[in-house]
Amino acid sequence: KNEVEQSPQNLTAQEGEFITINCSYSVGISALHWLQQHPGGGIVSLFMLSSGKKKHGRLIATINIQEKHSSLHITASHPRDSAVYICAVRSFRGSQGNLIFGKGTKLSVKP
Amino acid sequence: GAVVSQHPSWVICKSGTSVKIECRSLDFQATTMFWYRQFPKQSLMLMATSNEGSKATYEQGVEKDKFLINHASLTLSTLTVTSAHPEDSSFYICSATRTGSEQYFGPGTRLTVT
Repeated sequence: KNEVEQSPQNLTAQEGEFITINCSYSVGISALHWLQQHPGGGIVSLFMLSSGKKKHGRLIATINIQEKHSSLHITASHPRDSAVYICAVRSFRGSQGNLIFGKGTKLSVKP
Repeated sequence: GAVVSQHPSWVICKSGTSVKIECRSLDFQATTMFWYRQFPKQSLMLMATSNEGSKATYEQGVEKDKFLINHASLTLSTLTVTSAHPEDSSFYICSATRTGSEQYFGPGTRLTVT
């Protein structure tokens, strides 16, 4: 079993829909990252959080440390949100760089 | 946010040759840079951690003599794939961080070895 599990693996939505992507992990962590990878491969860091909730524009990320679960929400989705969204955790046992990555959720938003 | 660049963005080389990939932090001094590799439809995997002025720390299974890392300054780290083989074809991504801050990822370099 992977230490970081994301669901769903693939997600297709209509423009304007509210989207939720989930991430569960099984290790103790010091931080969790949400990343966005576009078809060309480039990665953008969306959020780094260790507790609570963060919001940036139409994106909201939450984390529940006790339940070892995080969610990424996209409100009023748009075709330009189409990308792979990756959850990555920094475990206590690793160095700062030793992020453990989920396999990603491929999101397609149709106009 | 902070910007990290990589050069080249893609490269094709012949088997047996060496390829150098640069990673630069453009607007901050990076105490640490990381090199990742991503095979198609796979997760990113950490290859090595690089601190300025010291030897890189390689993850288990990554050959340090094949993947040479030089972190010559606080804004530049290079990864050289020596004697490249087709199985080295992959997407190589670097990230950079200041002490205690989050990681900023580069756009990646797609290497194809023919």
